[in-house]
Amino acid sequence: DGGITQSPKYLFRKEGQNVTLSCEQNLNHDAMYWYRQDPGQGLRLIYYSQIVNDFQKGDIAEGYSVSREKKESFPLTVTSAQKNPTAFYLCASSIRLTASSYNEQFFGPGTRLTVL
Amino acid sequence: ELKVEQNPLFLSMQEGKNYTIYCNYSTTSDRLYWYRQDPGKSLESLFVLLSNGAVKQEGRLMASLDTKARLSTLHITAAVHDLSATYFCAVDPTGSARQLTFGSGTQLTVLP
Repeated sequence: DGGITQSPKYLFRKEGQNVTLSCEQNLNHDAMYWYRQDPGQGLRLIYYSQIVNDFQKGDIAEGYSVSREKKESFPLTVTSAQKNPTAFYLCASSIRLTASSYNEQFFGPGTRLTVL
Repeated sequence: ELKVEQNPLFLSMQEGKNYTIYCNYSTTSDRLYWYRQDPGKSLESLFVLLSNGAVKQEGRLMASLDTKARLSTLHITAAVHDLSATYFCAVDPTGSARQLTFGSGTQLTVLP
């Protein structure tokens, strides 16, 4: 079955720790994204990547880092510099990004991060 | 800065009734998406609207796009409890091909 997987489903972090959230897709999609969702809010873009070894900051990139070494994988690290990381994190992917294509994104199940 | 506004933010409706959710956006776009999110779950794609006047229907939900008015609507017909969820619209600005900007969501509760 094709799809997007995220792990872990729940993650607890102590203050000052870095943690890495996993996102893997087997849809052969070029583009991948990380979003943050706070309770009762919409989604805010953290980082996105259009191709391997390239990524761009979204609206709220401070305190986060990513890598894109493989097409299938786009891990997100929440660093100690992120002051309020407790949130629901969603990974998404889409086929490709061109000016003439549309950008229907497909989402993984999410990781709920809580800072203790 | 692109702004995407949904209203209402909260909606309680009786089963069997009709209602419309509105999505206004502030920049030129002919690509708009609707998603559904159940509590604690991820987002599920509902509709992709790619041109002015586009209309898509699936079951009791119908979405439309008016690019001149910068407005999309999600119409619910004869609501049932299973439609209770949060609905998001997302806009893909013309020529950006980069990212979607999401509205804040409309939390729909269908009451028996």
